[in-house]
Amino acid sequence: KAGVTQTPRYLIKTRGQQVTLSCSPISGHRSVSWYQQTPGQGLQFLFEYFSETQRNKGNFPGRFSGRQFSNSRSEMNVSTLELGDSALYLCASSLDSRNTEAFFGQGTRLTVV
Amino acid sequence: GENVEQHPSTLSVQEGDSAVIKCTYSDSASNYFPWYKQELGKGPQLIIDIRSNVGEKKDQRIAVTLNKTAKHFSLHITETQPEDSAVYFCAASRLGTGGFKTIFGAGTRLFVKA
Repeated sequence: KAGVTQTPRYLIKTRGQQVTLSCSPISGHRSVSWYQQTPGQGLQFLFEYFSETQRNKGNFPGRFSGRQFSNSRSEMNVSTLELGDSALYLCASSLDSRNTEAFFGQGTRLTVV
Repeated sequence: GENVEQHPSTLSVQEGDSAVIKCTYSDSASNYFPWYKQELGKGPQLIIDIRSNVGEKKDQRIAVTLNKTAKHFSLHITETQPEDSAVYFCAASRLGTGGFKTIFGAGTRLFVKA
């Protein structure tokens, strides 16, 4: 079956702009979580969604937001982009919020100039 | 706050030798500890995991141990091969009806020299 699909793979934006990233989980998976990966900070948890509800949130400013649709697809949005938002954004899907195995997508590499 | 410390940050071994990566977590409510391998240009891939009610788990050349009292867990790779070269991340997660939140270690870059 198809894996986790993230689009776009690469993105270049200017400071102050906003961006929306998309994640399609594995078919049947209802839990989607988002992570920011940078060389300096490693993998940092952004938020987790299950059945269209945000269940958990990491320590990121309000400029970072997300949502999940009824088909489990998820989007994350970053407004008023800063240079420090340049990172690889990874999405992971799990069968449900209590199921252990998380499958990661290849990520969206965002560059803010 | 919650954090996971991972050591070493870089590890270089000769093919056939063993590699050990160690992690310490701070959240005593963590009950699930996955290990991920990330190759260049790819997302992390789960290689082994352990729950808090188990002390050790093995899958072929990979094993993980957990000391819940000390809040330590380790990854052991035996008979290393060049294809084991990658970045390895440990993580601590608190699973429950309220969803989960996973904290990752900073990663260990493993080099296996042929």
